[in-house]
Amino acid sequence: RKEVEQDPGPFNVPEGATVAFNCTYSNSASQSFFWYRQDCRKEPKLLMSVYSSGNEDGRFTAQLNRASQYISLLIRVSQLSDSATYLCVVRTDKLIFGTGTRLQVFP
Amino acid sequence: GAVVSQHPSWVICKSGTSVKIECRSLDFQATTMFWYRQFPKQSLMLMATSNEGSKATYEQGVEKDKFLINHASLTLSTLTVTSAHPEDSSFYICSASSGVVRETQYFGPGTRLLVL
Repeated sequence: RKEVEQDPGPFNVPEGATVAFNCTYSNSASQSFFWYRQDCRKEPKLLMSVYSSGNEDGRFTAQLNRASQYISLLIRVSQLSDSATYLCVVRTDKLIFGTGTRLQVFP
Repeated sequence: GAVVSQHPSWVICKSGTSVKIECRSLDFQATTMFWYRQFPKQSLMLMATSNEGSKATYEQGVEKDKFLINHASLTLSTLTVTSAHPEDSSFYICSASSGVVRETQYFGPGTRLLVL
């Protein structure tokens, strides 16, 4: 079983739509949680950290459920520029990356 | 945010040659640098962690004699792929941490290696 699991997608959504990504992790001792964004042939860039209380950054909302070992990312009012691969990342003694969920926003 | 550069951005080489990739922190002192590898459609996988002035710690399954890491200064780490083979073709990404907030890693733009 992978340490961090994500649906690879792709998710194809129209501009303005709301889309949600999910992620599960296997190590209950994981300490920190993040969503990164990776564009094609580029390095990953930190989108946001994820906290148990849930947190929001503009159109992006992240949630963490430690009991279920489940992380989510919600993107509201999708924009063309949101097209990318979204990586779920968990930190134990190192960063563990999921394979990512591909999002394609179309006009 | 902090800036990390990598050089070269891409390299094509013949099988059997050695390739050196540089990772530099441009505006902060990186006490710890990390080297990752990403194969197509796969996740980033940590290869090794290096602290300035000490030997790198390699992840399980990564050959330390094949992937030589040097972290001689607080702003520079190098990864040398010795006797590269086609199966080493991948996207190599470094990241750097100042250690002040250890979990904050700043990623370089990556180096795409193609071994013919």
